[in-house]
Amino acid sequence: DADVTQTPRNRITKTGKRIMLECSQTKGHDRMYWYRQDPGLGLRLIYYSFDVKDINKGEISDGYSVSRQAQAKFSLSLESAIPNQTALYFCATSERARTSGRARQFFGPGTRLTVL
Amino acid sequence: GESVGLHLPTLSVQEGDNSIINCAYSNSASDYFIWYKQESGKGPQFIIDIRSNMDKRQGQRVTVLLNKTVKHLSLQIAATQPGDSAVYFCAENSYSNYQLIWGAGTKLIIKP
Repeated sequence: DADVTQTPRNRITKTGKRIMLECSQTKGHDRMYWYRQDPGLGLRLIYYSFDVKDINKGEISDGYSVSRQAQAKFSLSLESAIPNQTALYFCATSERARTSGRARQFFGPGTRLTVL
Repeated sequence: GESVGLHLPTLSVQEGDNSIINCAYSNSASDYFIWYKQESGKGPQFIIDIRSNMDKRQGQRVTVLLNKTVKHLSLQIAATQPGDSAVYFCAENSYSNYQLIWGAGTKLIIKP
């Protein structure tokens, strides 16, 4: 969805390097998410944010951190990248809903990260 | 533990035929289910959703069926077209859990 953009689209880095993946959205949504996708597996939630001051850990937050700089921006950082963090990373957004899982999520195009 | 899984990792269908993609879930507390389509090189795209108070919901060329008795969800695509080639994911959610739980995906291949 062109309303959700991710940079970079591809990144190759070395073990131990700090990496930041950025996500921006023009949909005006309050909620933003970071997912990781590995071959043969579904998406797994890393972090999610209900608004600028509300950030929550997901299923696999270890080794990752996030920053919600503004309603439209949500970045994911790998403080010290390791090879098993090689994956496809997706950012998503959703509107506010009574229960967040009920809100349709809109995804960015993904960032392919390779850690050597 | 809680999980959402798919019976078939790959499904090949003749163009013009109907496609049926299946999904099993194990969390009996799940009451909301979603299907997403992921084309090559793109992020997942919402197709259709269904709440547990329904057993069928129709969209444009797609129908989702929910059988709570056997914890089974299916996505039916009518008159499959080449543009339907993608990986299809089911995901589930329960009222007490803010997170979507995703299945592993089924790759749909359209034969000309």
